[in-house]
Amino acid sequence: ETGVTQTPRHLVMGMTNKKSLKCEQHLGHNAMYWYKQSAKKPLELMFVYNFKEQTENNSVPSRFSPECPNSSHLFLHLHTLQPEDSALYLCASSQGLRGASTDTQYFGPGTRLTVL
Amino acid sequence: AQTVTQSQPEMSVQEAETVTLSCTYDTSESDYYLFWYKQPPSRQMILVIRQEAYKQQNATENRFSVNFQKAAKSFSLKISDSQLGDAAMYFCAYTIPYSGYALNFGKGTSLLVTP
Repeated sequence: ETGVTQTPRHLVMGMTNKKSLKCEQHLGHNAMYWYKQSAKKPLELMFVYNFKEQTENNSVPSRFSPECPNSSHLFLHLHTLQPEDSALYLCASSQGLRGASTDTQYFGPGTRLTVL
Repeated sequence: AQTVTQSQPEMSVQEAETVTLSCTYDTSESDYYLFWYKQPPSRQMILVIRQEAYKQQNATENRFSVNFQKAAKSFSLKISDSQLGDAAMYFCAYTIPYSGYALNFGKGTSLLVTP
């Protein structure tokens, strides 16, 4: 495995379901990110973890719950989502030097989420 | 609000020709980092090129080069000798050091490469 991987690649869920997105990075990085990519809108940063600590939460609704058990894995737990949450969810990682935001971020292929 | 504007939603270029994608940004900071990312149909966001604002020299990466005009807050991407594999969405982004980890992205430019 190389780079940043995400599973599943596609997910269809009902509004009452609970599901999780998984991201794994094989780059030895310490920072991991969740982004939301909706049609016609710029990428939106959702969460950042650096050295397993959450450093940013960009006013994301509580129906999205991140988890970072170690520097290589990042999860996004989903529950009671809305149709407007349908989007491409991208995971990224970077070297994660403390306090530095200038690292190059490496992205995974994304999970295409559809909420019915 | 800090924003990135990509004024060309779509561009087209013939194979082997050169194309320039535009990007302007708005920040009051003097130190920042600029990026161009490429997102092909596979959806994997790939870094194309990176520029540090304190460097006057324009970054180059093989067939990709930038024209960085700091005073004008402009950061265009030039693709030379375009190839079919260059077809993708191209996103311009920037980040401010020590202000968190946010990459501020533009809405993207869709590049079509024709044979």
